[in-house]
Amino acid sequence: QVQLVQSGAEVKKPGASVKVSCRVSGYTFTTWDIKWVRQVTGQEPEWVGWMDLKTGDTGFAQKFRGRVTLTRNTSISTAYMELNSLRSEDTAVYYCARGCSGATCYPGYWGQGTLVTVSS
Amino acid sequence: DIQMTQSPSTLSASVGDRVTIACRASQNVNKWLAWYQQKPGKAPKFLIYQTSSLESGVPSRFSGSGSGTDFTLTISSLQPDDFATYYCQQYNHYPWTFGQGTKVEVK
Repeated sequence: QVQLVQSGAEVKKPGASVKVSCRVSGYTFTTWDIKWVRQVTGQEPEWVGWMDLKTGDTGFAQKFRGRVTLTRNTSISTAYMELNSLRSEDTAVYYCARGCSGATCYPGYWGQGTLVTVSS
Repeated sequence: DIQMTQSPSTLSASVGDRVTIACRASQNVNKWLAWYQQKPGKAPKFLIYQTSSLESGVPSRFSGSGSGTDFTLTISSLQPDDFATYYCQQYNHYPWTFGQGTKVEVK
């Protein structure tokens, strides 16, 4: 079955970076892109960006451009999201989700979430 | 970015009630509208995709309808497990955007 398994919770200081991993199984890694979403406690989920796992193409929400880097390691079916220059407002649960394969989008598979806490 | 507006923000209901949640998009999203259920401390649970298609395993008391800019999630007979927050999401345009949520609470 399709599974997306994320890395564990992180605690970081302001100004630091965090890298969250998302290991997928149950389908061919490069056939579906990966979306990254975050959710601050008490708020709706918020789009961060996406990556085409075959080509490496990426796209980002305006507010994250320049601060987020998306990468992947196809040999271990794992996608990564790195967020730099952390501030307290970045404290949130970060999710990866399977997105689109060509023109077919099916946002039904999510990772379990990774809590990132930014605190001095 | 497309703005998604849900109403109401909070809904008080009793077990057995018929519940309707509205979602309006600021632009046409065609049929590319999903609904999620979320409980505290958990990841969103996928309920409905393409406006009205029920995800496998989701009870048939959940249904979705609409097109273009106006959409609805209906729970035909509210069950105890349904008290949660519900989000709509459009996936027609990048960035994918979510409504602000509707909390269904016990009346």
